[in-house]
Amino acid sequence: EPEVTQTPSHQVTQMGQEVILRCVPISNHLYFYWYRQILGQKVEFLVSFYNNEISEKSEIFDDQFSVERPDGSNFTLKIRSTKLEDSAMYFCASNPGLVVFETQYFGPGTRLLVL
Amino acid sequence: QKEVEQDPGPLSVPEGAIVSLNCTYSNSAFQYFMWYRQYSRKGPELLMYTYSSGNKEDGRFTAQVDKSSKYISLFIRDSQPSDSATYLCAMRGGSEKLVFGKGTKLTVNP
Repeated sequence: EPEVTQTPSHQVTQMGQEVILRCVPISNHLYFYWYRQILGQKVEFLVSFYNNEISEKSEIFDDQFSVERPDGSNFTLKIRSTKLEDSAMYFCASNPGLVVFETQYFGPGTRLLVL
Repeated sequence: QKEVEQDPGPLSVPEGAIVSLNCTYSNSAFQYFMWYRQYSRKGPELLMYTYSSGNKEDGRFTAQVDKSSKYISLFIRDSQPSDSATYLCAMRGGSEKLVFGKGTKLTVNP
């Protein structure tokens, strides 16, 4: 069964450094998402991406964040200057986008620790 | 009032018990409802999804939505130790954004 994959599984970085989290969505899916989950808290929506542009973003997704689909298979989340509070599990998800209702399939996550 | 509320538990039951998990919500625009299962330090795994009010059954799992009460439930029959996980409700309206509950941690004891 096709799955969303994410790399790396763990990332440790120093405050102020740039990080890029990578995702390979399920093939032929059209919608892509990033969510994050701070330890002990809810899964929170960051951004949705369709047709090579951001379709929706949350207030968390400020100018420090950016997303890109550099080729036909990868989807990346960049954090330009990491802060301590960016430490969280980051999940990528994708959605076929072919019918009115389709749900989102999540990857295993990247655990980001900012020191 | 929080948009989605879910009792975090923890909930501990003996093997074979019927488990009832619930969420309430405040946004009447929500019309798509999902249940995800999340094992420790893993990604959410889709269990069931429903549109609008009604019931949906899949094996030992039954999802119920009552839009008039803004209340959704997940029932697990004949619970197994392998069902031990955190169960997340999630919902959305017209946008793609999923809004999650905090999750209920379930332990099924052999």
